Amino acid sequence: DVKVTQSSRYLVKRTGEKVFLECVQDMDHENMFWYRQDPGLGLRLIYFSYDVKMKEKGDIPEGYSVSREKKERFSLILESASTNQTSMYLCASTEAGGVLADTQYFGPGTRLTVL
Amino acid sequence: SQQGEEDPQALSIQEGENATMNCSYKTSINNLQWYRQNSGRGLVHLILIRSNEREKHSGRLRVTLDTSKKSSSLLITASRAADTASYFCATLRIQGAQKLVFGQGTRLTINP
Repeated sequence: DVKVTQSSRYLVKRTGEKVFLECVQDMDHENMFWYRQDPGLGLRLIYFSYDVKMKEKGDIPEGYSVSREKKERFSLILESASTNQTSMYLCASTEAGGVLADTQYFGPGTRLTVL
Repeated sequence: SQQGEEDPQALSIQEGENATMNCSYKTSINNLQWYRQNSGRGLVHLILIRSNEREKHSGRLRVTLDTSKKSSSLLITASRAADTASYFCATLRIQGAQKLVFGQGTRLTINP
């Protein structure tokens, strides 16, 4: 079974802090994604990566950056956390195969609170 | 704009009844997928239906796709308390950046 893990289930940070959210997948997937999920807004794509060191902006990249130094790991970075970044963050991965997004495998999520 | 929009936003039924959720979308798609999310957890893939398919089954799940109406439905038969969750449709568009676009979900509650 594909396993996608996220470094923390719950995280509390202060405004202005630099925050790292880590995601690791164990199935050698090429594509990895970061979403945030907010009530009434559904899932919104922040960034995705289709290869090591490659990244593409999603729909809401402002205030975030990402890092993919190794195939299995995709990190989401909040350079200076703000209260409007309080949210549930979900990581996902998919196999390659020409199409970026077939079945996505999700991690359990990180609920981030910025005070 | 949101590609997939689920309807209804919330559904509450008795255990044993069938649950039907609908998804509408705006642009042409490559495939449509349904996911389930238990409260506070990640999403779990349920079923994928391609644009050239009209119906697909997986256990108690039945998904239909009507590309002429740009809509899909998810039917859960003989519902169980464990089916209580939020259900999301996600579409992969043919044009533009190839990524999944999720709807806002239907919150399904199965009452014992």
